[in-house]
Amino acid sequence: DIQMTQSPSSLSASVGDRVTITCRASQSISSYLNWYQQKPGKAPKFLIYSASSLQSGVPSRFSGSGSGTDFTLTISSLQPEDFATYYCQQSYSAPFTFGPGTKVDIK
Amino acid sequence: QVQLVQSGAEVKKPGASVRVSCKASGYTFTSYGITWVRQAPGQGLEWMGWISAHNGDTKYVQKLQGRVTMTTDTSTSTVYMELRSLISDDTAVYYCARGLGEHQLLDYWGQGTLVTVSS
Repeated sequence: DIQMTQSPSSLSASVGDRVTITCRASQSISSYLNWYQQKPGKAPKFLIYSASSLQSGVPSRFSGSGSGTDFTLTISSLQPEDFATYYCQQSYSAPFTFGPGTKVDIK
Repeated sequence: QVQLVQSGAEVKKPGASVRVSCKASGYTFTSYGITWVRQAPGQGLEWMGWISAHNGDTKYVQKLQGRVTMTTDTSTSTVYMELRSLISDDTAVYYCARGLGEHQLLDYWGQGTLVTVSS
């Protein structure tokens, strides 16, 4: 199975900050990398697919990049509604494993 | 609009089985797969498996092989996930999610079903 890691595991940031989260796969997954946002008590929300394609309705302050084994999610200017936990997921080969998550909270 | 509505919370004893349902609406049911993801309290997301609503093909994570079965009822656009021989580590919120394409992009999610395993 492909293992996914994320760093940092948590971060504190202020509204307006630029935030970058890193995700790494244990083997090459081409660009089959997705990002999800989850708020407490809620189901995850689909943000980005194929490493860099924004799902419909997702604000443009979110962006993704990378290929192979290393990927990043960037929030260009953090908004109050962005405080949440972010998960990467590889969809290259089943089981489509998730990373452990990065919690973004208020500084 | 696309909706996935899951069945209600369950409390089960160790060794029992649980069946969670996920009723889909607002799209052509057989054109997508359904993935099940679970989340233990305070933990991350765990991919459990996937079923094609088109032909019933399934893929399960190895650690649950033999204990989990996913089925579909196309007449009611409902997917079922049964987990048997429950242990305390199975206590989690179970989510179904619609999967788009071969690589199962999870674009719509159910509200989650809490399954508690306790003696």
